[in-house]
Amino acid sequence: SQQGEEDPQALSIQEGENATMNCSYKTSINNLQWYRQNSGRGLVHLILIRSNEREKHSGRLRVTLDTSKKSSSLLITASRAADTASYFCASSGNTGKLIFGQGTTLQVKP
Amino acid sequence: DSGVTQTPKHLITATGQRVTLRCSPRSGDLSVYWYQQSLDQGLQFLIQYYNGEERAKGNILERFSAQQFPDLHSELNLSSLELGDSALYFCASSKRAENQPQHFGDGTRLSIL
Repeated sequence: SQQGEEDPQALSIQEGENATMNCSYKTSINNLQWYRQNSGRGLVHLILIRSNEREKHSGRLRVTLDTSKKSSSLLITASRAADTASYFCASSGNTGKLIFGQGTTLQVKP
Repeated sequence: DSGVTQTPKHLITATGQRVTLRCSPRSGDLSVYWYQQSLDQGLQFLIQYYNGEERAKGNILERFSAQQFPDLHSELNLSSLELGDSALYFCASSKRAENQPQHFGDGTRLSIL
């Protein structure tokens, strides 16, 4: 399978704590993207990092990319109950096709 | 609201039948993507169209076909349905063909009885 892997599969933290999710992918990429999915809903784009970038920030989100290790991480700082969702990384090569990881389910307890 | 509209939201049908899923992309987006999400396979890319032309193909079965029309809406046709086709089918759109964030609809939940 081309699918990437995410780690951990599930994460439970208290409100205010930071959450870190890791992602590995298999093929060379043009960019790597992170998406959030609330239960049974459509995916919401969070952040896109290009293959020549190493780190990117957006609000409480910080994404890193290590192309030599084919890995990325997503850090959510000062988490809130509303951050409870599944988070997916998706790698993209020469076409727009996204290859998704298996996702991390994050639960933030109030 | 992503601006991507998918209809219907739910579809219940029987094995052997044929269904059509419809997607209207965000205004101004030329590229449309179809994905399938199931518990055992996760999120799988099916097919991409850009401005009416097929751009990339993924794990799409021969029983499935898609097209993008001149007004840029897209349809995914699923035929000879099997129990294993039960899944959430998502449409996404983006302005250009690559290196773009994708905007997802809320999906069509297909249940095969």
